[in-house]
Amino acid sequence: AQSVTQLGSHVSVSEGALVLLRCNYSSSVPPYLFWYVQYPNQGLQLLLKYTSAATLVKGINGFEAEFKKSETSFHLTKPSAHMSDAAEYFCAVSVKGRGSQGNLIFGKGTKLSVKP
Amino acid sequence: KAGVTQTPRYLIKTRGQQVTLSCSPISGHRSVSWYQQTPGQGLQFLFEYFSETQRNKGNFPGRFSGRQFSNSRSEMNVSTLELGDSALYLCASSLGGTTNEKLFFGSGTQLSVL
Repeated sequence: AQSVTQLGSHVSVSEGALVLLRCNYSSSVPPYLFWYVQYPNQGLQLLLKYTSAATLVKGINGFEAEFKKSETSFHLTKPSAHMSDAAEYFCAVSVKGRGSQGNLIFGKGTKLSVKP
Repeated sequence: KAGVTQTPRYLIKTRGQQVTLSCSPISGHRSVSWYQQTPGQGLQFLFEYFSETQRNKGNFPGRFSGRQFSNSRSEMNVSTLELGDSALYLCASSLGGTTNEKLFFGSGTQLSVL
């Protein structure tokens, strides 16, 4: 069975500092991996996804993530935080095949705060 | 292009009642998925519909049901409400519902059960 673990339910950074949000996955088959962001009172928005092409994936708003199979990790980074990045971030996994369409396994989420 | 629309935005019900939530996907999208979001359990998959057929189902009791219409709009029904059903219910749509597709989420329906 697939699962996702996000280390740190809350992360606080200063504006301009590096953002690093950690995600580890468990999957018996090659997974598809996603990062979604949720702003207050809104639904989720896709930041980026890994689908077995390049291991370094670039997403929207300056975010990127690197798939590391040996570490079963898919950490999200951004070189310089903006105040507008304050939100909750979710890592998710799905696998190829029937029974998985539309079914993402989400981590518990990490709330990012950005201090001025 | 209009996004995913969920109605109503907020709902207050009492235990034992039933509730129906509505989701209109992005035009052209044929797959609709439903998720329950709570502070304790996080985001959990309820079910997915494609071309009016339930294709996948999560681990929820039979009180949770859904359907999809020919125009891809979907409804979710919860019968005999319990306090633990209080949650944000999110609907997501995608084109064909393959496992690596981007899901487009609505803003959700916040259900409070008293």
